[in-house]
Amino acid sequence: LAKTTQPISMDSYEGQEVNITCSHNNIATNDYITWYQQFPSQGPRFIIQGYKTKVTNEVASLFIPADRKSSTLSLPRVSLSDTAVYYCLAGTALIFGKGTTLSVSS
Amino acid sequence: DTAVSQTPKYLVTQMGNDKSIKCEQNLGHDTMYWYKQDSKKFLKIMFSYNNKELIINETVPNRFSPKSPDKAHLNLHINSLELGDSAVYFCASSQGNLREPQHFGDGTRLSIL
Repeated sequence: LAKTTQPISMDSYEGQEVNITCSHNNIATNDYITWYQQFPSQGPRFIIQGYKTKVTNEVASLFIPADRKSSTLSLPRVSLSDTAVYYCLAGTALIFGKGTTLSVSS
Repeated sequence: DTAVSQTPKYLVTQMGNDKSIKCEQNLGHDTMYWYKQDSKKFLKIMFSYNNKELIINETVPNRFSPKSPDKAHLNLHINSLELGDSAVYFCASSQGNLREPQHFGDGTRLSIL
C-alpha cells in the first residue's frame, strides 16, 4: 500500500495561493491520488482526484509529475474559510494520517 | 438532503455499556465504511462493506460489530465499552471500488465516562 508524507502544518494569508505537496514514493501503477479537506466537527470532504499531469476543478488544482512520486494540491487565492486539515491519499490505501493543517490569516 | 447521515451525533455513556451508531446514505452508493478518529486526529479505517458484504476488517477488537441490513445502511454496534473507545466515529460511502471518492457523515462523538 502506498504511504503518503505531507507537511504537518502550513500558514498563509488571505488572497495567496497555497501549494501543499504530498510524497508517495511507492505508488502503484494504477493508483489515483485523492485529496480531502476536513473542518473541525465535520467529516472529510472530497476535493480532487487525479492520476497524472494536471487536474482542475472549481475548488483546486492537482499537479502530478511524470514519475508520480509526489503531487501538489494548489488552492488559489485562499480565504479564512479554507483553514482546515488537508489529507492526501494514494490508491486504495485508506490511510488518512495526520494531514496538513492549513491556517489562513487576514 | 443529507447524503450520509449518522445518529446519534453525540453519545455519552459509561464503561461496560453496549451502544450502537447508525449510518444511512441516500447517494445510491454500494460501498460503505466506518472510520475512527482519535484525540490525535488520526483517521483510521475500521470496516468496509460492499453490497452488504464485508470487504475490509482491520485489526479492531471483536467488541465492534458492523451490520449492513441493506446497501444504504451500515450500523456499528459496540459491546462492553472501554475508555479507549472514546473517539469520533465517521461513516462514509463511495460508488464502486476503493479508489472512488468517499462521502463522509459528520461523525458521532463517543465519550466514555
